[in-house]
Amino acid sequence: NAGVMQNPRHLVRRRGQEARLRCSPMKGHSHVYWYRQLPEEGLKFMVYLQKENIIDESGMPKERFSAEFPKEGPSILRIQQVVRGDSAAYFCASSPQGQGKSGANVLTFGAGSRLTVL
Amino acid sequence: GNSVTQMEGPVTLSEEAFLTINCTYTATGYPSLFWYVQYPGEGLQLLLKATKADDKGSNKGFEATYRKETTSFHLEKGSVQVSDSAVYFCALSDLTGTASKLTFGTGTRLQVTL
Repeated sequence: NAGVMQNPRHLVRRRGQEARLRCSPMKGHSHVYWYRQLPEEGLKFMVYLQKENIIDESGMPKERFSAEFPKEGPSILRIQQVVRGDSAAYFCASSPQGQGKSGANVLTFGAGSRLTVL
Repeated sequence: GNSVTQMEGPVTLSEEAFLTINCTYTATGYPSLFWYVQYPGEGLQLLLKATKADDKGSNKGFEATYRKETTSFHLEKGSVQVSDSAVYFCALSDLTGTASKLTFGTGTRLQVTL
């Protein structure tokens, strides 16, 4: 039973290029979350998606960032016109259902995708 | 807003030593508290959790007690092993909505030597 699969594990882009990060949730999980970890900081929530729906994107930067979770295929985090400040580790997590207000349900995390912008 | 503060690493211990990694938090209401562990090259794994005050989470010899009065959730283990070398993250859940907006600390790297 494969866990949360993220690819690529490492991605290098030059300023102005686009970055696409993919996340396949655990089998049976229909909820996906993206987090970003900047150097020397904790993981920060970006976006929460269900199949074909963005539920909460309050942590997403207003420009250049977008996320989708299509009916078929992995969830994709897309960063357009990357800048050096986008260099970070991007973690995807999944759960079988929403967390609810207690947050007590467990998220399963992937190993992360490390983006380096030159 | 919510925040989590962890002791800075790296923490280097000899095998069988006692481990404490401090974690304090700021939050509105009564969040759930978590410790996640990340082994080299792997994703974050839930180590233990506590959902209300005075609850003790435990797993694999690790323990942490939810202390509301001191807003703390310190991680402890009586005798560490080399295989415990990893990065440990303290986190709390956001209760303001339905998404799991976990708030994480910066992580503490633990290195255990023979």
